[in-house]
Order: sequence, then C-alpha cells, then structure tokens
Amino acid sequence: GAGVSQSPSNKVTEKGKDVELRCDPISGHTALYWYRQSLGQGLEFLIYFQGNSAPDKSGLPSDRFSAERTGGSVSTLTIQRTQQEDSAVYLCASSLRLAEGGNEQFFGPGTRLTVL
Amino acid sequence: AQSVTQLGSHVSVSEGALVLLRCNYSSSVPPYLFWYVQYPNQGLQLLLKYTTGATLVKGINGFEAEFKKSETSFHLTKPSAHMSDAAEYFCAVSDHSSYKLIFGSGTRLLVRP
Repeated sequence: GAGVSQSPSNKVTEKGKDVELRCDPISGHTALYWYRQSLGQGLEFLIYFQGNSAPDKSGLPSDRFSAERTGGSVSTLTIQRTQQEDSAVYLCASSLRLAEGGNEQFFGPGTRLTVL
Repeated sequence: AQSVTQLGSHVSVSEGALVLLRCNYSSSVPPYLFWYVQYPNQGLQLLLKYTTGATLVKGINGFEAEFKKSETSFHLTKPSAHMSDAAEYFCAVSDHSSYKLIFGSGTRLLVRP
C-alpha cells in the first residue's frame, strides 16, 4: 500500500520568500507529525495533529512557521519569510492514532528545503 | 525533560562482525523506546520498539535491542553485519503522556568489506 508522501522532494527558494510543504499521510491514519532534520540540530519535533486539530505546536521555531490539516488528511507546513537557518529536511509522519503513545510513526521521504 | 544520548556519531565494522550501537535515555519513568534506520535520501524506517513486556525486542533485518532499566539503556545489536546495513541509526523515546518522538543525534554505521 501507499506510504506517506511528501511534495516537493526538493525546494530551493530565496531568502524572504514563503514556501509550502505538503504531506499526504497513510490513508486511515488520524495522527500526523512534522519533524525537521538539520545538520546543527538533528531531528526535532515541530507539530502534531490529531484529526484536524493541533494540540501541540510547541516545536514550531517561530511565528513564521504554521501548519494546517484539512479533512483529517493532507497537511501543509508553511514557512513565511524564509531564512537561511530554515534550510533542512522536513519530515512528515503519520500513525494510526495517538492513543497512549508507543504507536509506530511511519515517515515520508522528506522535503529538502534550501534557502539561498 | 527527556533526552537521548547515542554514543559515537560513527561506528565502523567489518562485514560479518557484531554490530553494537549504544543508546541511553534520561527519564524518571521508563519511556517507550524506538530504533529507526535512515538510508540515504530516504525517510526513517522503524527497526523495533519497546513498549512493555519482554525486555529483549527483536526487529527487522536481524536487529534486536534490550531494554535495561537499571542502566537506562536500549542498545541495538546485530550478530553479523551486512553491507546493506550501512545507514544512519536513530534511537528515540516518547513518554506515556506525549506523542512526539525525542531523537538522539544518530549513529552512522559503516560496513567494511
């Protein structure tokens, strides 16, 4: 079956531009997560969704970052006025449910963002 | 706050040799523990996880890990390395009230012919 898909796979943008990153979770997965992987910071949690709501946005680095999820499926991570330090691989994951934790998170291939 | 420490950013072994990747966690309550593998230009794939029950956990591709509460460790092992095991390995934890994964810094495994 289809796994988590992300688009675009690569994005090069100029400093100050806005970007949108898309994630299609596995069908039927109610929980969705965004992580960032960068050389300096490793793998960091950004935000998660249960259905369309985002109970935990604690990992978003600044107010330039926002995310939404519609229809309990596709999610979009938006970065406004990009900065060079935003350059990283943005990973999306989904799981069947949040429940008590311990659920396997299935990861997509990531979007590599480069801010010039 | 929870944290994960992976000793050794790079580990090099010969093909056929034992693989040992170390992971220690910091938590007052035993968390859920995971090992993920990342091949070049790919996402993360779950190797194995510990939630409750048996402390020796077997995963895919011949890997296993043992949860040792007294040592707050969850080291990953494989008896005999294959060339295809060359990748980056991440240890992660989550606790019983949070759903996010806290990752270690990763260990890159190199397998020499």
